[in-house]
Amino acid sequence: SAVISQKPSRDICQRGTSLTIQCQVDSQVTMMFWYRQQPGQSLTLIATANQGSEATYESGFVIDKFPISRPNLTFSTLTVSNMSPEDSSIYLCSGELRGYTGELFFGEGSRLTVL
Amino acid sequence: DAKTTQPPSMDCAEGRAANLPCNHSTISGNEYVYWYRQIHSQGPQYIIHGLKNNETNEMASLIITEDRKSSTLILPHATLRDTAVYYCIVRVVYNNDMRFGAGTRLTVKP
Repeated sequence: SAVISQKPSRDICQRGTSLTIQCQVDSQVTMMFWYRQQPGQSLTLIATANQGSEATYESGFVIDKFPISRPNLTFSTLTVSNMSPEDSSIYLCSGELRGYTGELFFGEGSRLTVL
Repeated sequence: DAKTTQPPSMDCAEGRAANLPCNHSTISGNEYVYWYRQIHSQGPQYIIHGLKNNETNEMASLIITEDRKSSTLILPHATLRDTAVYYCIVRVVYNNDMRFGAGTRLTVKP
């Protein structure tokens, strides 16, 4: 298994600012996924991040708004840019371990409130 | 769109088996069936997965029909701590396609 740590666990931000969420894994992972979860809703995939290549974004999510970095096999960041109250949500990262058959491990999420 | 269909909610008595169904009628031959659960305010937790054979681990059993168009997750002796939203997902391993549907909200009652 793997332990995934996210920072910050929660934050309150002002409209128009940007926040970077960090995701650290204690093992090497092949693929990393970033999700958004609105209150009472399921998880929505934002993008898939592979080391050494550009992230792949889902429909409705763009790189200018949610830039992602993946500098190595154990770390990734998601930035929420130019935030508005509609960006208030829980953001989760997950990783798929090398050598496993596709099961993902998740962080506990970063709860973001935009005023 | 999610590739799976699950009932929105289910109840189960504590100590009884919880049987959670999932339909995935368009599943491809190389897609696995994965189950996750999310307890309130926590990140999703992996439970079990399978390709075509039934699987069992310390948490649950997974029964996949012969045609692979549906599956059932079985929690053999549900406890109050099993109250959570359960998600069924079909996916090709190492594919950029890990999408969650609405899931089933399981409530285990004393």
